[in-house]
This record gives sequence, C-alpha cells and structure tokens, in this order.
Amino acid sequence: GENVEQHPSTLSVQEGDSAVIKCTYSDSASNYFPWYKQELGKGPQLIIDIRSNVGEKKDQRIAVTLNKTAKHFSLHITETQPEDSAVYFCAARGLEKLTFGTGTRLTIIP
Amino acid sequence: EADIYQTPRYLVIGTGKKITLECSQTMGHDKMYWYQQDPGMELHLIHYSYGVNSTEKGDLSSESTVSRIRTEHFPLTLESARPSHTSQYLCASRWRQNTEAFFGQGTRLTVV
Repeated sequence: GENVEQHPSTLSVQEGDSAVIKCTYSDSASNYFPWYKQELGKGPQLIIDIRSNVGEKKDQRIAVTLNKTAKHFSLHITETQPEDSAVYFCAARGLEKLTFGTGTRLTIIP
Repeated sequence: EADIYQTPRYLVIGTGKKITLECSQTMGHDKMYWYQQDPGMELHLIHYSYGVNSTEKGDLSSESTVSRIRTEHFPLTLESARPSHTSQYLCASRWRQNTEAFFGQGTRLTVV
C-alpha cells in the first residue's frame, strides 16, 4: 500500500517568514495530493491540492510543488501570519483511500 | 462549509459500555471514512465504505464496527468500551477518488 512520510514534525517560524513542509510517497500510481490544515478542536480542512499532471499550484500565500519522478511534494506558505498556526497534513491517493502523512505542527512566532 | 456532522463532540463513558458514534453527511457522497487520531496527531484509517452495504477495514486494526445502511449515515460502534479506546475519532466523506475529502469536527472519546 501507499506510504507517506512527512517532515518536519514540528516547525516554528517567525511571523512574516516562509514555512516549508515536505512529503514523500511510495506508490508511483498515486495521482492526487491534497494538503489539510487542522486547527485545535476541529477536523482537518483542505487548503490546497495538486494532481499529477501539474508541477506547481498556487493560491495566494500557499503553494504546492510536485516532483513525480522523485515522488515528493511540498507545501510552501509565504508571509506567515499567526492564524497559520495549526497542524498540517499531506496525503496521497492510493487505491480507494487517502493515506496521510504524520502531520506537522506549525507555530508562528509573533 | 462542509455538510458532515459528528455527534457527540465529547463523550466520557465507563469501561464496558456500548457506544455508537454518529456521522452524517448531506452531500450525497458515496465514500465515507473513519479515522482514529492519536494525541500525537497521526491519522489512522480504521474503516471505510464505498457506498450502501459496503464496509471495509482500514489500515489500523480496530475493535469497532461500522454499518452503512443509508448513504448519509456511517455510524461507528464499540460493543464494550475500554480505556485503550480513548482517542479522537474523525469521520470524512468524498464523492470521487480524486476529489476533496470533507471531515467532521470529530468526537473526542474518553473511556474511564
């Protein structure tokens, strides 16, 4: 089955700086890669996703890059703000289910 | 805003009790999922369903059971709760394979 590794597990960033979270996956057949943000006391919510026919996607301060050859994808958050503090999960679509990474706790330092 | 609801949000229950965690969605999604989330964040898939009368076990072995009699409901049942079942349980649904999965708010279960 699919295996997704996510790094780092914790990340502290000064407000205004950029944050990068990286994931690798094992199944070369995977073709859908979403990123979820989970705030305290809530369920994860999709913030951006990318499909395998695209190398990069951007939505305001958030961008995702995908390298299918190397089987890794990354989340980039620029101009970080306090409300970006949360747990972030990457995921890769396997056969019928999404396989999640282990999560990154991002803390924005004011 | 996702139309997927979990009840209760919090539950404290004694060992040996039978409990059912409810999950409902009004989006008409065929695929539904239950995840168990550790205090350390990691999400573990414990059950999923392709549609009515379809249930499958996930990656993490669980003593819970699920049913899918109606498209919109995917309840999870523990016949005899134990302290080791203490965790956060998250329900999710989606329409097709390469589309967004919507999550409920979660049920935080504590077995004492």
